[in-house]
Amino acid sequence: DAGVIQSPRHEVTEMGQEVTLRCKPISGHNSLFWYRQTMMRGLELLIYFNNNVPIDDSGMPEDRFSAKMPNASFSTLKIQPSEPRDSAVYFCASSLFGPDHSGANVLTFGAGSRLTVL
Amino acid sequence: KNQVEQSPQSLIILEGKNCTLQCNYTVSPFSNLRWYKQDTGRGPVSLTIMTFSENTKSNGRYTATLDADTKQSSLHITASQLSDSASYICVVMGNDMRFGAGTRLTVKP
Repeated sequence: DAGVIQSPRHEVTEMGQEVTLRCKPISGHNSLFWYRQTMMRGLELLIYFNNNVPIDDSGMPEDRFSAKMPNASFSTLKIQPSEPRDSAVYFCASSLFGPDHSGANVLTFGAGSRLTVL
Repeated sequence: KNQVEQSPQSLIILEGKNCTLQCNYTVSPFSNLRWYKQDTGRGPVSLTIMTFSENTKSNGRYTATLDADTKQSSLHITASQLSDSASYICVVMGNDMRFGAGTRLTVKP
């Protein structure tokens, strides 16, 4: 298995532009998570899906952020319009179970997408 | 205040030495605690998962301990190697997942 695949690995864009990050979870996993990581705030959960349905999007910073999961093998995180403070590394992770209390629930992270908004 | 506090924030040790990283949490209810290793430029990778009833769990040179009464966990690395240089993130699962800010470990030759 190739693991969780994210693209692009790096993106540099100008303020106001639309940014779309993509994620392919591990086949068979039914939960997908989007995280943002910065030096100041560490890892923050933005949104997670269970069986392609958004369950908790309370971590999404504002309406400029949106996420979709049209099928079990693909998800996108979109920022429109982007702002410099959105600069961060965005991680996608997937797991076999939802974020329940099971000790067997291990998140597998992708390599991340480093976004720089100028 | 973060519900998961890690210390130290950063640590530099010489190759071959041991070290211990700390994680204190206030998350309640508590389900389990995980330690992740994050190499520079990569996503976090799970090292150990500890449930309420487990006190110690080892994974090679990594040994995690958990004291659910004092709400403290530690990650001990034995005979450190250059490849141990990474950030180590403590994640506590309660009603949701809470991440610590991580400890940045640098192992020097």
